[in-house]
Amino acid sequence: DIQMTQSPSSLSASVGDRVTITCRASQSISKYLTWYQHTPGKAPRLLIYTTSILRSGVPSRFSGSGSGTDFTLTISSLQPEDFATYYCQQSYSSPRTFGQGTRLEVK
Amino acid sequence: QVQLHESGPGLAKPSQTLSLTCNVSGGSISGGDYYWSWIRQTPGKGLEWIGYIYFTGTTFYNPSLKSRVSISVDTSKNQFSLKLSSVSVADTAVYFCVRDGNGHWFDPWGQGILVTVSS
Repeated sequence: DIQMTQSPSSLSASVGDRVTITCRASQSISKYLTWYQHTPGKAPRLLIYTTSILRSGVPSRFSGSGSGTDFTLTISSLQPEDFATYYCQQSYSSPRTFGQGTRLEVK
Repeated sequence: QVQLHESGPGLAKPSQTLSLTCNVSGGSISGGDYYWSWIRQTPGKGLEWIGYIYFTGTTFYNPSLKSRVSISVDTSKNQFSLKLSSVSVADTAVYFCVRDGNGHWFDPWGQGILVTVSS
């Protein structure tokens, strides 16, 4: 199985900050990387797929980049509703696997 | 818009079979454009994809769980189900049903249901 490693595991930031989360795959996954947001008490939410394609309805402050083994999720200006846990997931090979999550907390 | 909702017992005893159902509303499972998957979240292993089913009944499972998992579909009720046999404490998790974008992304997700395995 392909291992997905996110860094950092947790991150403290303030409203208005620019935040970057990294996801590294144990082998090349080409562009097949997806990002999700999970707020406690809510269903996880698809943000970005195929590395950089924003799901319809997701604010443009979210962006994704990368290829091969290294990927990033960037939030350009944090809003209060963005404090949540973020997960990456590869779909290059089966079984699809997830990163362990990055918890974004209020500083 | 499509919505998914998990239902089933929140408690299972060790060695028994865990059974959950996912009701899909706002769209038809038989539409044929998507797979339908189960994913679980455990404290120890994080998010783990369990398997998917297509409306025809074709299934594909995670090899790590394949020997214990069965996913079925009932197109007349617009729902699909998960059975996990011989459960242990390690199977305690929040179980999510999701619409599966043909092997790439999962969207939307159900709220999730906590299943605790305990005697």
